[in-house]
Amino acid sequence: QVQLVQSGAEVKKPGSSVKVSCKASGGTFSNYAINWVRQAPGQGLEWMGGIIPLFGSANYAQNFQDRVTITADRSMSTGFMELSSLTSEDTAVYYCARGGSSSSVIRGVTHYYFSFIDVWGKGTTVTVSS
Amino acid sequence: DIQMTQSPSSLSASVGDRVTITCRASQGINNYLAWYQQKPGKVPNLLIYAASTLQSGVPSRFSGSGSGTDFTLTISGLQPEDVATYYCQKYDIVPLTFGPGTKVDIK
Repeated sequence: QVQLVQSGAEVKKPGSSVKVSCKASGGTFSNYAINWVRQAPGQGLEWMGGIIPLFGSANYAQNFQDRVTITADRSMSTGFMELSSLTSEDTAVYYCARGGSSSSVIRGVTHYYFSFIDVWGKGTTVTVSS
Repeated sequence: DIQMTQSPSSLSASVGDRVTITCRASQGINNYLAWYQQKPGKVPNLLIYAASTLQSGVPSRFSGSGSGTDFTLTISGLQPEDVATYYCQKYDIVPLTFGPGTKVDIK
C-alpha cells in the first residue's frame, strides 16, 4: 500500500521560500497525480496545485499561480512543492496527496485530468515568522 | 473557476440521528465530486467519490447522492466517532476546489 512521506517541519522568515518534499513508497508513482493541499490553522482545505509525474506538467490554483512551483522526480518517486515570497498568512500544514489521473487527445492536443485524492501524507507544518 | 459551497457550516446532532450535508457547485460538474472526513488533528480521509461510490473500508452508514450542481452526504445513524469536519471537492477539471467544510459534533 502506497505511503507518502513528507519532509519535516520548517520555520521561515517572511520573504523567503520553502521547499517541501513528498516521497512515495510501496506503490507506483508516475501514473498518479501528486496534489498539494494546504490548511491554515483552524481553516479549511485549499488545493494549491498538482502534477502528474508521467506527463511532467503541473497545474496550479490561481491563488498560488505566481508563487508556487510543483515538480516531481520520477527516479526518486518524490514530489516537491516550493512556495516563495512567504508571509505570515502562509503559516499552515501542507499536505501532499495522491490522486488518480488520466489523459485524452482532442484534435491533436493532449489534455490531462486529475481525479479524487485517495492517499494523504501526514502533512508538513510551515511556520512563517520574523 | 467553479465555486463550491456547503451547508450548513456546522451542525450538532444526537447519536443515531440521520445527518445530511449539502454541497453545491456554481456550475455543473457531472458526478465528479468527492467527500472527505477530517477528524480533529488528523489527516483527511476519502469517504465517497463519483458522488455516490463508497470508498473501500468506509462504513455503510455514509452515503452520497447528486449530480450536476447539487450533492448530498448522508450519515444514517450518527456515531460518536463521526465527529469531524466534512469537505466536498470537485475534480471535473482543475482547480480541484474544496468546499468550505461542515463541522459535525454530538449534541
